[in-house]
Amino acid sequence: AQSVTQPDIHITVSEGASLELRCNYSYGATPYLFWYVQSPGQGLQLLLKYFSGDTLVQGIKGFEAEFKRSQSSFNLRKPSVHWSDAAEYFCAVGPGVGNILTFGTGTQLKVEL
Amino acid sequence: GAVVSQHPSRVICKSGTSVKIECRSLDFQATTMFWYRQFPKKSLMLMATSNEGSKATYEQGVEKDKFLINHASLTLSTLTVTSAHPEDSSFYICSASEDASYNSPLHFGNGTRLTVT
Repeated sequence: AQSVTQPDIHITVSEGASLELRCNYSYGATPYLFWYVQSPGQGLQLLLKYFSGDTLVQGIKGFEAEFKRSQSSFNLRKPSVHWSDAAEYFCAVGPGVGNILTFGTGTQLKVEL
Repeated sequence: GAVVSQHPSRVICKSGTSVKIECRSLDFQATTMFWYRQFPKKSLMLMATSNEGSKATYEQGVEKDKFLINHASLTLSTLTVTSAHPEDSSFYICSASEDASYNSPLHFGNGTRLTVT
């Protein structure tokens, strides 16, 4: 069965600092990997996804993620965090049957001004 | 971009009553819709997958008689929480895609906060 682990429940960074959110997955074949962001009381917005090809994926809002098969990881990065980036971030792996995604437990990002 | 509208955003109901949550795709036809439940500080738990015109497929442990899902059209799916109890209080989120293929984007609604008193 596929699974996703986000080891960091909370992360606090200063505005302007770099950010890396960790994601490890377990999947039997080549995974399709996603990062979503959720603002309080809101749904999820797709930041980026990896299906195949270049292992460094660029997303929206200046985020990027790197797929490392050897480490079963898909860490999310941003070189300079903005206060508006404070939110909950979810890593997800798929596909299961019928485009079903398995989500990690999320990382709450706090940005200090 | 594709928009999924979920209504209501918040609802408070008394124990024993039923609550209906709507999920609409506004500018695309959603062959497949998904319903999730999100507990505080927890991940999204998939409750069921619904395909237009057919019965929903429920995940293990989800009571189909309690969480009724109807996907009667290509733009609307509803989740009805029947005989709600305080333990049903949660954040419910729907998502929709044009089809069930792996590269069909998922578009999420903004969620519904259900509180059962």
